[in-house]
Amino acid sequence: DGGITQSPKYLFRKEGQNVTLSCEQNLNHDAMYWYRQDPGQGLRLIYYSQIVNDFQKGDIAEGYSVSREKKESFPLTVTSAQKNPTAFYLCASSTQFVGSYEQYFGPGTRLTVT
Amino acid sequence: GESVGLHLPTLSVQEGDNSIINCAYSNSASDYFIWYKQESGKGPQFIIDIRSNMDKRQGQRVTVLLNKTVKHLSLQIAATQPGDSAVYFCAEGETGANNLFFGTGTRLTVIP
Repeated sequence: DGGITQSPKYLFRKEGQNVTLSCEQNLNHDAMYWYRQDPGQGLRLIYYSQIVNDFQKGDIAEGYSVSREKKESFPLTVTSAQKNPTAFYLCASSTQFVGSYEQYFGPGTRLTVT
Repeated sequence: GESVGLHLPTLSVQEGDNSIINCAYSNSASDYFIWYKQESGKGPQFIIDIRSNMDKRQGQRVTVLLNKTVKHLSLQIAATQPGDSAVYFCAEGETGANNLFFGTGTRLTVIP
């Protein structure tokens, strides 16, 4: 089956710890994205990657880091510098990095930091 | 319509009735629009899309209407079912731009 997988579904961490969220796609998409979703709010773009070994900051990149060493994988690290990390994190991909193509979403990872 | 606040707009409909969910978009240059459905605790799912050279597009039980004059998009769901209960949000994109931009969503509740 083609699609995007995110793991784990739920993640709990203590404040001050870095944590890495996994995102894998087998759709052969060039572009990948990370969004954050808070209750009652829309999706906010954290980072995006147009192609392997390239990535750019989105609207709320502070406290996050990413890598894109393989086309299929775009892991997100939530660092201890992120002031309010508890949220629902969504990974997406699209065939091209343009605003005229559908983005396919993974099932999401709910991160809780206490 | 969409909201930028903490409280999502809500729509409650009786099972079997038709639902209409609205979205006002902001960029007059946007030429691609998508409706997504998001169930609780899950990622958004594509429902239907429309490009700016069309006013209407139909799918299975869903119809999207686009009014470029007033920058308004609507999603109509025919014969709404309990499984349609979810948050629905629109996204707008522009050919040549970097990304899609997402609205905050409307929560649809279907009453059995």
